[in-house]
Amino acid sequence: KAGVTQTPRYLIKTRGQQVTLSCSPISGHRSVSWYQQTPGQGLQFLFEYFSETQRNKGNFPGRFSGRQFSNSRSEMNVSTLELGDSALYLCASSLGGTGGEQYFGPGTRLTVT
Amino acid sequence: GIQVEQSPPDLILQEGANSTLRCNFSDSVNNLQWFHQNPWGQLINLFYIPSGTKQNGRLSATTVATERYSLLYISSSQTTDSGVYFCAVKEANKLIFGTGTLLAVQP
Repeated sequence: KAGVTQTPRYLIKTRGQQVTLSCSPISGHRSVSWYQQTPGQGLQFLFEYFSETQRNKGNFPGRFSGRQFSNSRSEMNVSTLELGDSALYLCASSLGGTGGEQYFGPGTRLTVT
Repeated sequence: GIQVEQSPPDLILQEGANSTLRCNFSDSVNNLQWFHQNPWGQLINLFYIPSGTKQNGRLSATTVATERYSLLYISSSQTTDSGVYFCAVKEANKLIFGTGTLLAVQP
């Protein structure tokens, strides 16, 4: 069974631009979560989608948004990029239950200059 | 929210040595996972262990849910074990991560 895939793997953007990251979950998984990893803040939860609905959102500004499609693929968007948005963005998928093991993709490394 | 603490923050071992990594959490949980982050950043699943003991090769893990801690044991460490180890617990459909243990295994 194929794992979680994320595209692109690396991205360089300029302050003020916007970016869209994509995540395809494991086949049959209906929950997709996004996390941001930075050296200063560690791994922080962005949001979680299940069956196209956002179920939970972390403490991030409104510039960070996401969506999920009917095939469970998810995208996250960051508008008006800031230098501090430079990070590794990780996507995880799971079946969607309250327990449920999460499986992570390889991540997208975003650099904002 | 739940707080997750890991210790030690850093660990240096000689190849062949054993180690124990600890994860403390502040409230009861129904999901605890251990991950190894590889040099390229991907989180590799090691164990899904809300309670009890599991073993996978040289690695094993134990979670004592009633006392709110989990332990990851690495035996006969190899240089390929180097990297950051995270534990994470689930709260309201999100994983809360500890700050990790940076392990360096020297040949």
